Amino acid sequence: EIVMTQSPATLSVSPGERATLSCRASQSVTSNLAWYQQKPGQAPRLLIYGASTGASGIPARFSGSGSETEFTLTISSLQSEDVAVYYCQQYNNWPLTFGGGTKVEIK
Amino acid sequence: EVQLVESGGGLVMPGGSLRLSCAASGFTFSSYSMNWVRQAPGKGLEWVSSITGSGTYIYYADSVKGRFTISRDNAKNLLYLQTGSLRAEDTAVYYCAKASWDYWYFDLWGRGTLVTVSS
Repeated sequence: EIVMTQSPATLSVSPGERATLSCRASQSVTSNLAWYQQKPGQAPRLLIYGASTGASGIPARFSGSGSETEFTLTISSLQSEDVAVYYCQQYNNWPLTFGGGTKVEIK
Repeated sequence: EVQLVESGGGLVMPGGSLRLSCAASGFTFSSYSMNWVRQAPGKGLEWVSSITGSGTYIYYADSVKGRFTISRDNAKNLLYLQTGSLRAEDTAVYYCAKASWDYWYFDLWGRGTLVTVSS
C-alpha cells in the first residue's frame, strides 16, 4: 500500500498570503495525484488532478505541482473562503489512498 | 443537474448490516466507474470500494473485504454498498463518488450518509 503523508497538519496563513501544502508518497505515483478541499460540514471537492491540472470551476489561485513522490498544493493568495481541510490522493496503485489532510486556518 | 444522493444510513448494532444506496443524475451513469469513500467522525478520508461502469471490475479496501459488497444497477442509475458484520470502527459518513472517465480520482461527490455502529 502506498502511504501518503501530508504536512503540516495545520497551517495558519494571513489573508492574501501564500499557503504551501505538501504531500509525499511512500513510492512513486508518477503524476497520478489529486487534491481535494473539504470545508466544514461539506463533502470533499476536487481541486487538482494529474498533479497539476485544475478541475473545472476552481479559482486560479489554486495550483499543484510535483511528480513521483513529492507534491505541492499552493494557494497563491489565501481568502477567507479557503478555510478547509485539504487532502491528497494517489490513484496510481490499488488500494487508492489519501493523505491525512492539512487544515488551513486564517491567521 | 449533475448530482449524487446517498441514502440508507442509520444506527445499527455491531454485527448488523445496512444497504447504502446512491442515486445518480445528470450524467451517463453506466459510462463511469463509481466509488464509496468513508470518513469516521473527526478523521480523514478512507477509500472503501470501487466498481467499473459495466461492473466487470470491483475493488475493496482490506478493511472491508469479505464484509462489504459493491454493486450497481445501470438501468436505475443506482450504486449500492451492502455492508455486513459491522463493527464500531465502521462508523462513518459514507460518500458516493464518481470517478473521472479515465482515471480513479473523484470528480463528483455526494453529501454522504451517516452509518453509526453501536449497541
